[in-house]
Amino acid sequence: SQELEQSPQSLIVQEGKNLTINCTSSKTLYGLYWYKQKYGEGLIFLMMLQKGGEEKSHEKITAKLDEKKQQSSLHITASQPSHAGIYLCGADSSYNTDKLIFGTGTRLQVFP
Amino acid sequence: GAVVSQHPSWVICKSGTSVKIECRSLDFQATTMFWYRQFPKQSLMLMATSNEGSKATYEQGVEKDKFLINHASLTLSTLTVTSAHPEDSSFYICSAPMGSNQPQHFGDGTRLSIL
Repeated sequence: SQELEQSPQSLIVQEGKNLTINCTSSKTLYGLYWYKQKYGEGLIFLMMLQKGGEEKSHEKITAKLDEKKQQSSLHITASQPSHAGIYLCGADSSYNTDKLIFGTGTRLQVFP
Repeated sequence: GAVVSQHPSWVICKSGTSVKIECRSLDFQATTMFWYRQFPKQSLMLMATSNEGSKATYEQGVEKDKFLINHASLTLSTLTVTSAHPEDSSFYICSAPMGSNQPQHFGDGTRLSIL
């Protein structure tokens, strides 16, 4: 079965610093999704990547999918306390399905 | 605004009680919804796929008789935890895709605490 590994597991950065979170799949990804979750709350959709080499940005967050479609990265520029939370990558469990599997998660803390 | 509504957000009840959690899609129809469970400091684990008008599909290791799923309409799926025990305490969250090739949108989750 497909597995998604995220690194690092946790990250503590000072406000204004840049950071990167990685998501690696054991199999080729059909669709890769990034979500943010605050403790005890639902998931907020950030970005969806489907094509090898694809890159998307929204405000200070950029997500990339490598050409082989097995690894994705999420980069935050000039981090702010509002970026704190748990970042989860999710992937379609197989082709033409809406069923998602999730990565292990990265807990981000941003201190002033 | 939210596109998937989940209710209740918090439940505390005695052991042996059955608890129903609702998941509604707002302003769109969802023939399929998904139910996840999340333990503290862990990722989401898919429990089952809720299918409108037919039986739910459960993931391996999930007890069908324990976690009853009903998808009676195109905008509502319910998860009933039957005869809940302390080990069922967890954060339950639902999701629904807005359409083909669209991302899943999630409810705000339900924190279930069984005493």
